[in-house]
Amino acid sequence: KAGVTQTPRYLIKTRGQQVTLSCSPISGHRSVSWYQQTPGQGLQFLFEYFSETQRNKGNFPGRFSGRQFSNSRSEMNVSTLELGDSALYLCASSMTSDGEKLFFGSGTQLSVL
Amino acid sequence: GDSVTQMEGPVTLSEEAFLTINCTYTATGYPSLFWYVQYPGEGLQLLLKATKADDKGSNKGFEATYRKETTSFHLEKGSVQVSDSAVYFCALSATGGYQKVTFGTGTKLQVIP
Repeated sequence: KAGVTQTPRYLIKTRGQQVTLSCSPISGHRSVSWYQQTPGQGLQFLFEYFSETQRNKGNFPGRFSGRQFSNSRSEMNVSTLELGDSALYLCASSMTSDGEKLFFGSGTQLSVL
Repeated sequence: GDSVTQMEGPVTLSEEAFLTINCTYTATGYPSLFWYVQYPGEGLQLLLKATKADDKGSNKGFEATYRKETTSFHLEKGSVQVSDSAVYFCALSATGGYQKVTFGTGTKLQVIP
């Protein structure tokens, strides 16, 4: 069974640009969550989708958005990039919706110059 | 809100030494508790979990016991190996049915031969 796949693996952008990251969950998983990982802040919850509906959102500005498609694949978008957005963005999927085991992808490393 | 506090790293141990990584939490209700591990260049993997008070999670020689009275979930291993070198994250998932996991800041473990 394939794991959680995130693309691209690395991304370099400049301030003011926008970026879209993609996540394909494990087959059969309907919940997809996104996290931002930085050395100073650790893992910060961005948002979670279940059956195309955003059910939970962390404390991030509106520049961070996401969506989930009918096949459970998810994308997150960051507009008007800032230097502080440089981070590893991790996607996680799970079969259930009750906060149990998360399966993580390897992440997308975003560098904003 | 929910929070997880874990000991600062890095922790450096010799092979076969005893490991303890402290973790305490704040949450309403009765959360599920987790330890995740992140190896270099990879996403997080679930190491063990406990879903109710006095439960003991265990995997690969690691153990942690859910202590409601002290709101703690300390990770222990009797004899560490070089291959255990990684970053360890304590996490909780609050009750309520939605997929939002709160992570600690992570503790880097380095095991030297």
